Amino acid sequence: EIVLTQSPGTLSLSPGERATLSCRASQSISNMYLAWHQQKPGQALRLLIYDTSNRATGIPDRFSGSGSGTDFTLTISRLEPEDFAVYYCQQYVTFPLTFGGGTKVEMK
Amino acid sequence: EVQLFESGGGLVQPGGSLRLPCAASGFTFGSYAMSWVRQVPGKGLEWVSSISSDGVNTYYGDSVKGRFTVSRDNPKNTLYLQMNSLRVEDTAIYYCVRRICSTSRCYYFDSWGQGTLVTVSS
Repeated sequence: EIVLTQSPGTLSLSPGERATLSCRASQSISNMYLAWHQQKPGQALRLLIYDTSNRATGIPDRFSGSGSGTDFTLTISRLEPEDFAVYYCQQYVTFPLTFGGGTKVEMK
Repeated sequence: EVQLFESGGGLVQPGGSLRLPCAASGFTFGSYAMSWVRQVPGKGLEWVSSISSDGVNTYYGDSVKGRFTVSRDNPKNTLYLQMNSLRVEDTAIYYCVRRICSTSRCYYFDSWGQGTLVTVSS
């Protein structure tokens, strides 16, 4: 099983600041098969990034993904009020499909 | 617009059974693999099960294998999760999720339902 470890657990930032979220895998993720999902209270989860760096349809370009091997990053270049949420990385290389524990981006 | 609507959640005693339907609309349901993912309220996400677009191939997480069964009715645009021998630790919000696949393999989850809460308690 590929274990994904996200850090930090909580990120306290102000609107306009840059957010950098980390996702580390217990083994190399081949073909960059890593996604990021956003969860906000009362809303369905939303796919942000797939294949490490491709933005899903309708996702603003302030969201970007990067990484390779075992280390991956989601960057939000300038936080908007609607970006305060919980973010999960997820691998789809192999079963069981696994998620990281999540990073909460909260308003400072 | 892709819409996934789960229902069927509720309170059930340990050892009991429950079936969760997920009604899909806004896309050609029979062309997509589907999955179930669950989340203990306030906690992280756990993949539960996946099923191929034609329903032939099914996959399960170790924690539910032998107790849960995923199925689908393509003409009715509905995904199901039959949950038997329920345990307290199965208490969670259950999400229906669409998965993107090619002819050779499947990839990421691209659309999520709002979820239905299952509580297993005596």
